[in-house]
Amino acid sequence: AQSVTQLGSHVSVSEGALVLLRCNYSSSVPPYLFWYVQYPNQGLQLLLKYTSAATLVKGINGFEAEFKKSETSFHLTKPSAHMSDAAEYFCAVSETGGGNKLTFGTGTQLKVEL
Amino acid sequence: NAGVTQTPKFQVLKTGQSMTLQCAQDMNHNSMYWYRQDPGMGLRLIYYSASEGTTDKGEVPNGYNVSRLNKREFSLRLESAAPSQTSVYFCASTRALELYEQYFGPGTRLTVT
Repeated sequence: AQSVTQLGSHVSVSEGALVLLRCNYSSSVPPYLFWYVQYPNQGLQLLLKYTSAATLVKGINGFEAEFKKSETSFHLTKPSAHMSDAAEYFCAVSETGGGNKLTFGTGTQLKVEL
Repeated sequence: NAGVTQTPKFQVLKTGQSMTLQCAQDMNHNSMYWYRQDPGMGLRLIYYSASEGTTDKGEVPNGYNVSRLNKREFSLRLESAAPSQTSVYFCASTRALELYEQYFGPGTRLTVT
């Protein structure tokens, strides 16, 4: 069975600082990996996805993530945080042949301080 | 394009009451999903419909039923609401089963007293 672990339910950074949100996955077959963002009182919006092409994936709003098979990780980064990045971020995994059923991590709330 | 729409946005029920959450998408997507979101637990899949006319259980189906009315609409029914079903419910859709991102609706916030 597939699973996702997000380390750190709350992360706080200063505006302009590096953002690093951690995601580790478990999957018995090659996974598809996703990062979604949720702003307050809204639905989820896709930031980026990994589907076995390039291991470094670039997404919207300056975010990127690197798929590392040896570490079973898919950490999300952004070089310089902006106040508008404050939101909850979810990592999700879907197994090939799994009917596109997503398994989500528990989420990381990102706070950006002046 | 409205994308994925959900009604109602908010609902308060008493224990034992029933209700149906509605979801519709205008993107001609084949697959649709219902999730619930609870604090500290992320999103968990309740039911999904791979295509019109098919439905399957997800991770937490107990206490719910679904209907894929047509390609556009996928409803979630609570027959006898319980306080444990207090949650935010999200509907999502995707074009096909593999590779494609899921598009989410704005959610329904349900409180069962």
